Amino acid sequence: DAEITQSPRHKITETGRQVTLACHQTWNHNNMFWYRQDLGHGLRLIHYSYGVQDTNKGEVSDGYSVSRSNTEDLPLTLESAASSQTSVYFCASSAAGSSYNEQFFGPGTRLTVL
Amino acid sequence: AQSVTQPDIHITVSEGASLELRCNYSYGATPYLFWYVQSPGQGLQLLLKYFSGDTLVQGIKGFEAEFKRSQSSFNLRKPSVHWSDAAEYFCAVGATSYQKVTFGIGTKLQVIP
Repeated sequence: DAEITQSPRHKITETGRQVTLACHQTWNHNNMFWYRQDLGHGLRLIHYSYGVQDTNKGEVSDGYSVSRSNTEDLPLTLESAASSQTSVYFCASSAAGSSYNEQFFGPGTRLTVL
Repeated sequence: AQSVTQPDIHITVSEGASLELRCNYSYGATPYLFWYVQSPGQGLQLLLKYFSGDTLVQGIKGFEAEFKRSQSSFNLRKPSVHWSDAAEYFCAVGATSYQKVTFGIGTKLQVIP
């Protein structure tokens, strides 16, 4: 069965370190998204991609970067981790198309920045 | 810009009772509307969606939602809640042109025996 996976599921790091969260999907979806989930804010879009070599900033992109070298993967990098980036991160993917297509979510990565 | 308001952060209902979760949206055109459910420690799962047509939409797990353009609302309902429905529910509005959605802050549902 097709799926979307995230690794690691839990990560503890220190302020200032670079951290990369992995997202891998086997749906063969063109669209991929990264969200962070925080109490009182719901899910907020960090970055998204509509295909290989395409990346776009979401509403909370500062301090984060992504790259899309293939269809299956969209790693999220925190260049210099800050305590404000402690959160739960979700990756999602959806098929391309002229109408909206359902986003399928991964299980999430809980990141703690000390 | 699109936005979603879920006025109830936490709701408690008794098992077997009816449920209504409120959602109001702001969007300049006809919206694409969604309800997602998140069980503890899990990702989000789509319950139902509204694109056009019949304003009452049926979803999985016995849920339904009604789109009311005049009230800018898309409330989620279930006639009889089960203990397994305890979860967090997110309303979202989408812009088809960019395949993006904006989520509300969520409503946490507690079900008591």
